[in-house]
Amino acid sequence: DQQVKQNSPSLSVQEGRISILNCDYTNSMFDYFLWYKKYPAEGPTFLISISSIKDKNEDGRFTVFLNKSAKHLSLHIVPSQPGDSAVYFCAASAGAGSYQLTFGKGTKLSVIP
Amino acid sequence: ETGVTQTPRHLVMGMTNKKSLKCEQHLGHNAMYWYKQSAKKPLELMFVYNFKEQTENNSVPSRFSPECPNSSHLFLHLHTLQPEDSALYLCASSPLGGGSNYGYTFGSGTRLTVV
Repeated sequence: DQQVKQNSPSLSVQEGRISILNCDYTNSMFDYFLWYKKYPAEGPTFLISISSIKDKNEDGRFTVFLNKSAKHLSLHIVPSQPGDSAVYFCAASAGAGSYQLTFGKGTKLSVIP
Repeated sequence: ETGVTQTPRHLVMGMTNKKSLKCEQHLGHNAMYWYKQSAKKPLELMFVYNFKEQTENNSVPSRFSPECPNSSHLFLHLHTLQPEDSALYLCASSPLGGGSNYGYTFGSGTRLTVV
């Protein structure tokens, strides 16, 4: 049973426009959420995170929104750049004593010049 | 350079072979992990080591055997694998064994093909 779901396997966006990547989760115990970015032939790299006590976290062009009641989070990239083309993984963890991350399947973002 | 180095980058092995994957980190992290990424599946946690002690084994078949001789090195010993074990094996480390910032640092992975 997948506890972290990324239902869109791929997304194409024009350069300069907004990219919105979505993630849903089912485990109410999750209290920390992260986004990772992965280029081909490389390992995932940490992008941005959010604690369950917040509903928004912003870092430059990247903003993560959390809707706890809907068990939904999203990553906004504005403006999108061709270098943002990669696979984006949503991940979640449960409890301050847990360091195990549960990942989604990933969404492949293609930013078209 | 990600700080976490995995070798080899690619490995082709027969079902009767024995091989080992190596992971090394010099970030001062206390926890190290093995993840498996199969096509069209989420990253699957295999093993967790915290301060060299194995703390998680997510029902991984015994043909995969981890070893963590110290907090900087992690191995995954492979024997009598099956073709369905072909996948990208990722090593990661993190600074804490718990807490609010899980900033994993991943290696580039070993692409394993079992023939």
